[in-house]
Amino acid sequence: EAGVAQSPRYKIIEKRQSVAFWCNPISGHATLYWYQQILGQGPKLLIQFQNNGVVDDSQLPKDRFSAERLKGVDSTLKIQPAKLEDSAVYLCASSLASGTGVSYEQYFGPGTRLTVT
Amino acid sequence: AQSVAQPEDQVNVAEGNPLTVKCTYSVSGNPYLFWYVQYPNRGLQFLLKYITGDNLVKGSYGFEAEFNKSQTSFHLKKPSALVSDSALYFCAVRDMWTDDKIIFGKGTRLHILP
Repeated sequence: EAGVAQSPRYKIIEKRQSVAFWCNPISGHATLYWYQQILGQGPKLLIQFQNNGVVDDSQLPKDRFSAERLKGVDSTLKIQPAKLEDSAVYLCASSLASGTGVSYEQYFGPGTRLTVT
Repeated sequence: AQSVAQPEDQVNVAEGNPLTVKCTYSVSGNPYLFWYVQYPNRGLQFLLKYITGDNLVKGSYGFEAEFNKSQTSFHLKKPSALVSDSALYFCAVRDMWTDDKIIFGKGTRLHILP
């Protein structure tokens, strides 16, 4: 079974530039998550999709971050414009489903390490 | 709102000795609890989870965790540590009924000494 795919693996940009990350979840997984992991901290959820609908984006800085999951499969996360504090690893994860009373484990991709200079 | 605490930044254990990585949590209702491991330059890998049932949960690579409701803890354990267990370990919690978001701890670096 193929795992969660992410690209690129590494990205270096200057502040105020734009960047986009791509994620392809495990086939059949309805729920897709984007996390931000800053060095020395645990992953922080940015946005969660159930199929192509947003379940939770309460921690997404919407003035600069956006995400979409067209057709309920692949997803892209965009930052525009980037700030120095956006330097982090961006992790994509997927699970079979999610919801009240349901909790499947999440499968994580390798992440994209973003450095903003 | 739920929260999770991993009180140790790093745990050092000699190879062959038992290991424990601590985790305590706070939720308003009943918890779902998880342990994930992260190897260098790789994403998180699922180790085990507690949903309901037996308080002792067995997972991958010989790891197990014990759910203790009275102490609100979910410590990760292994009877005999291997050098290959050296990695970053994350505890995570989700409230079963009130919120869909999983909260991760800050992580504990486990260093197994040969």
